[in-house]
Amino acid sequence: SQQGEEDPQALSIQEGENATMNCSYKTSINNLQWYRQNSGRGLVHLILIRSNEREKHSGRLRVTLDTSKKSSSLLITASRAADTASYFCATGFIGGNEKLTFGTGTRLTIIP
Amino acid sequence: NAGVTQTPKFRVLKTGQSMTLLCAQDMNHEYMYWYRQDPGMGLRLIHYSVGEGTTAKGEVPDGYNVSRLKKQNFLLGLESAAPSQTSVYFCASSAWTSGGEQFFGPGTRLTVL
Repeated sequence: SQQGEEDPQALSIQEGENATMNCSYKTSINNLQWYRQNSGRGLVHLILIRSNEREKHSGRLRVTLDTSKKSSSLLITASRAADTASYFCATGFIGGNEKLTFGTGTRLTIIP
Repeated sequence: NAGVTQTPKFRVLKTGQSMTLLCAQDMNHEYMYWYRQDPGMGLRLIHYSVGEGTTAKGEVPDGYNVSRLKKQNFLLGLESAAPSQTSVYFCASSAWTSGGEQFFGPGTRLTVL
């Protein structure tokens, strides 16, 4: 079964606006990662946040993690047309060391 | 560096036929993974390997077999293809445990008629 559930399933915004997507998970984790998938391509790693971290930044990306609520959010600021893609959260969980469990993804469309 | 490559990119099979998907990585990664991606389902782990000569079952292993005879290669086999195996298959590799960053191949689109 899927560990992570992203919300919303789909999101459309105007270019230049900020995009926020959320991920909820069920079990205790070591870390949570976000990946991007352009149409017809493989996934590309964006950012990793460890269970003892609350916030992390990378360029226009900001990720937060609330382990008490078992949730994370990905914020993309000043969106661009090239940000159009599907975004997945993935959790590395305690006792599952080598593996990640992926959510079902958020489809983001940036309208020029 | 080519990263993670997958062969073939597309394939159409008839029910009952067999095939092997090849994944190769040139990053000297210990860990390799096979996933399938279906609409609305995200990625589901089929099998994975933590090193040469080792394999382990993931979330949806039935109907698939794997082998890791060389560190850089991870093969996924379908012995008797079924329409339910129509999917996009992704291979990935990573360098360390505890949920490290995974590097993905471009995918193989498989259709079973």
